[in-house]
Amino acid sequence: QSVLTQPPSASGTPGQRVTISCFGGSSDIGGNPVNWYQQLPGTAPKLLIYLNTQRPSGVPDRFSGSKSGTSASLAISGLQSEDEADYYCAAWDDSLNVVVFGGGTKLTVL
Amino acid sequence: QVQLVESGGGLVKPGGSLRLSCAASGLTFSDYYMSWIRQAPGKGLEWVSYISSSGDYINYADSVKGRFTISRDNAKNSVYLQINSLRAEDTAVYYCASLGRTGDLDYWGQGTLVTVSS
Repeated sequence: QSVLTQPPSASGTPGQRVTISCFGGSSDIGGNPVNWYQQLPGTAPKLLIYLNTQRPSGVPDRFSGSKSGTSASLAISGLQSEDEADYYCAAWDDSLNVVVFGGGTKLTVL
Repeated sequence: QVQLVESGGGLVKPGGSLRLSCAASGLTFSDYYMSWIRQAPGKGLEWVSYISSSGDYINYADSVKGRFTISRDNAKNSVYLQINSLRAEDTAVYYCASLGRTGDLDYWGQGTLVTVSS
């Protein structure tokens, strides 16, 4: 069982906006930045959002992150077929001194 | 361009051992904490271990404590994971990744598959 809680699936049609939630606690999301990873089918995960809202170079601005208290969200606007992937939230956990992950959300583009 | 390349995976019997390696290029390796993360078939990501830039601070997930050992050689730009007393539930793709100061795993390797089966 993952420390952070994400919905197992999400879906949308091309052009739509979808959001994926991530719930944690005071020792992880509540006290540390949230990062999001995208894992395309058959590939390694890639950093998508860091420090709650920041995009690494090369990540389209269709992807955005937010955080409030002990929860965070990833929003994808103008959904495209190539966005179909698994998305994971993660944060440092101060009590465990480890990185904790959400269980992942499989995004389907209908 | 940063590259992390894992090697050393394979098929091993329960109770066996393997040593995974991760060779880094394109970054000042000695400045980075490094981490291993694994992903069982069809499952999510599980953090396994990390090591500080100098190697003097290490931590492990409870599920591997006492069986896995992380180490690094900054002269060779490499990080290693010695995995002993392997169990079926250790079957996974093992990824190495650089660990940023705010907990972000900014660069990932392509992974190496470890299969534990008799």
